[in-house]
Amino acid sequence: EVQLVESGGGLVQPGGSLRLSCAASGFTFNSYSMNWVRQAPGKGLEWVSYISRSSSTTYYADSVKGRFTISRDNAKNSLYLQMNSLRAEDTAVYYCARDLIYSFDNWGQGTLVTVSS
Amino acid sequence: DIVMTQTPLSSPVTLGQPASISCRSSQSLVHSDGNIYLSWLQQRPGQPPRLLIYKISNRFSGVPDRFSGSGAGTEFTLKISRVEAEDVGVYYCMQAAQFPWTFGQGTKVEIK
Repeated sequence: EVQLVESGGGLVQPGGSLRLSCAASGFTFNSYSMNWVRQAPGKGLEWVSYISRSSSTTYYADSVKGRFTISRDNAKNSLYLQMNSLRAEDTAVYYCARDLIYSFDNWGQGTLVTVSS
Repeated sequence: DIVMTQTPLSSPVTLGQPASISCRSSQSLVHSDGNIYLSWLQQRPGQPPRLLIYKISNRFSGVPDRFSGSGAGTEFTLKISRVEAEDVGVYYCMQAAQFPWTFGQGTKVEIK
């Protein structure tokens, strides 16, 4: 069974940093590209970042470019999102999602990030 | 960026009746490889999203056949042939033709 489990969320002050993790199991992690998608409270879905299987290619939403860094460790079956210079508008549930033919076929339960003083 | 516009934003439906959601893209969704990567996701209350349809019309594993996707060009549609209580939630279309990948605003399906 495919499982994606996010962790690392919490309350952080504006300008602070946080590192999210996503532990993957039940599939061959290094065979799939991965993504982060977020959802602000009561709002819709926003794609945040993409990383290819070998980490050779990454993409970011303009809203996070230069502040967030996506990475992965295939040996540890883990996906990461380093978030710096956090703003109130980054408050959201962050999901990791597996990429299947340019769609998201498996999602974690999400981890809540709250940016507030 | 490609803007995805869904209509309606809210859809009250009677159990057993059909429902239809439209999604329009601001530009062509043809990927550089020639495919159209338009997918539909369902988000039930309090749950993460779930993939229903990928590449316009392909039902994902385990998705009931009452869900179907269609479309071409910049107009796409998700249809539920007979709405069941478990179909309540918000439905999103998403394009992966070019980065940044973008979602529609979401359509809330509720029972009348």
